[in-house]
Amino acid sequence: DIQMTQSPSSLSASVGDRVTITCRASQGIRNDLGWYQQKPGKAPKRLIYAASSLQSGVPSRFIGSGSGTEFTLTISSLQPEDFATYYCLQHNSYPPTFGQGTKVEIK
Amino acid sequence: EVQLLESGGGLVQPGGSLRLSCAASGFTFNSYAMSWVRQAPGKGLEWVSAISSGGGSTYYADSVKGRFTISRDNSKNTLYLQMNSLRAEDTAVYYCAKDQQADIWGQGTMVTVSS
Repeated sequence: DIQMTQSPSSLSASVGDRVTITCRASQGIRNDLGWYQQKPGKAPKRLIYAASSLQSGVPSRFIGSGSGTEFTLTISSLQPEDFATYYCLQHNSYPPTFGQGTKVEIK
Repeated sequence: EVQLLESGGGLVQPGGSLRLSCAASGFTFNSYAMSWVRQAPGKGLEWVSAISSGGGSTYYADSVKGRFTISRDNSKNTLYLQMNSLRAEDTAVYYCAKDQQADIWGQGTMVTVSS
């Protein structure tokens, strides 16, 4: 199975900050990766697909990059509604695997 | 509007069974693989199972293999998860998701395994 190591597990940031979350795959997965946002009590919502493509309707401050084994999600200017938990998901091979999650909290 | 609506969750005793359903609308259901993903209370997301668009191929996490069965009825635009021999560690919110890329999610249904 492909392991996805996501870091950090949590971070504190202020509105307007630039935030970066990283996922590392245990083997190459091309660009078969998505990023998801989950708010408490809600289903996850996909933000980024194919590692760097923005899901329709998602603000452009969410930026995905990377290929192979290293991937990043950057929020260029953190907004109040962005405080949530973020997950990466690789779907290159079965079983699909999620990162452990990054909780973004208000500083 | 693309929509997934899960149902069938509830409280069940260890060793019991439950069948989850996921009704799909707003897209051509029989053109897409479908997945189940779960989230234990306070924990991260765990992929559980997937099924190909025609139903001919199925995939399972090791943690549920041999106990859970995924299926679909394309005439009814509905995905199922039959869960047998349930354990306390199966307690979670269960989500259905469109495709193995999980671009669309349902709202989830809670399964509690407890005596």
